Amino acid sequence: DAGVIQSPRHEVTEMGQEVTLRCKPISGHDYLFWYRQTMMRGLELLIYFNNNVPIDDSGMPEDRFSAKMPNASFSTLKIQPSEPRDSAVYFCASSRRHTTNEKLFFGSGTQLSVL
Amino acid sequence: AQSVTQLGSHVSVSEGALVLLRCNYSSSVPPYLFWYVQYPNQGLQLLLKYTTGATLVKGINGFEAEFKKSETSFHLTKPSAHMSDAAEYFCAVSEGVNTGFQKLVFGTGTRLLVSP
Repeated sequence: DAGVIQSPRHEVTEMGQEVTLRCKPISGHDYLFWYRQTMMRGLELLIYFNNNVPIDDSGMPEDRFSAKMPNASFSTLKIQPSEPRDSAVYFCASSRRHTTNEKLFFGSGTQLSVL
Repeated sequence: AQSVTQLGSHVSVSEGALVLLRCNYSSSVPPYLFWYVQYPNQGLQLLLKYTTGATLVKGINGFEAEFKKSETSFHLTKPSAHMSDAAEYFCAVSEGVNTGFQKLVFGTGTRLLVSP
C-alpha cells in the first residue's frame, strides 16, 4: 500500500486566497483525521471522520475552515479566506475500524505558507 | 478530557548516552498511551503503545516506555542514543476500553538532539 497520500507537499498563497488540501487515506481504513502542527501549539486535531461522516469537528478553529469526505478514498480541508496565522503543517492520518492497535498512519503533510 | 504534558521541548544527549523523554498524562478513564516519532519532513510514526497488560512496553529502534499509574507517567527511554534517533517525539493519550476508536490527544513534542 502507498500509505496516506497528501497533496500538495507545499503550498504558498496570499492572504485572502482559498486553499484546498487533499488527502487519500489507506484503502480499507474507516477513520480519517486532519491535524495541524505549529510551533506554538504543537499537533492539534482539527476534525475526524468515520465512514466518511464527520464525527468531531470541535478542533476546527473557525468558520473559514471546512472539511469534506465525499467518499472513502478522498478528503479535503479547505480554508477560505486564508490568513497568515493559518501557516502550519497540515497532516492527514487514517486508521482501521475497531482495532485494538489504534495505530494512526500519517501522511507526509502539507506545508502551508500564507503571505 | 484527556491531556498530555511533555516536559522539555528540547533534550540534548551525546551518542551512547541514556535517552529519557518525559510524559505525564491526565485522563478520567484508563488511558491508552502512545509515543510517536517524527523525522524531518515526514509524518508521525508509531514508536510504541500501552493499552493493557504489561506496564513496560517495548517499541521499535530499542525504545521502551513504562506506564506508571500512580505517577500518571509514561516516560520514554533508550539505553544508548544513536545519531539516527535525532527527531521529534510526541506522547499521546486516548480514552481506554470499550469506547470504540478514540481520538488521540498529543503533547507538544520533545525534540531530541544527539551529538557525536
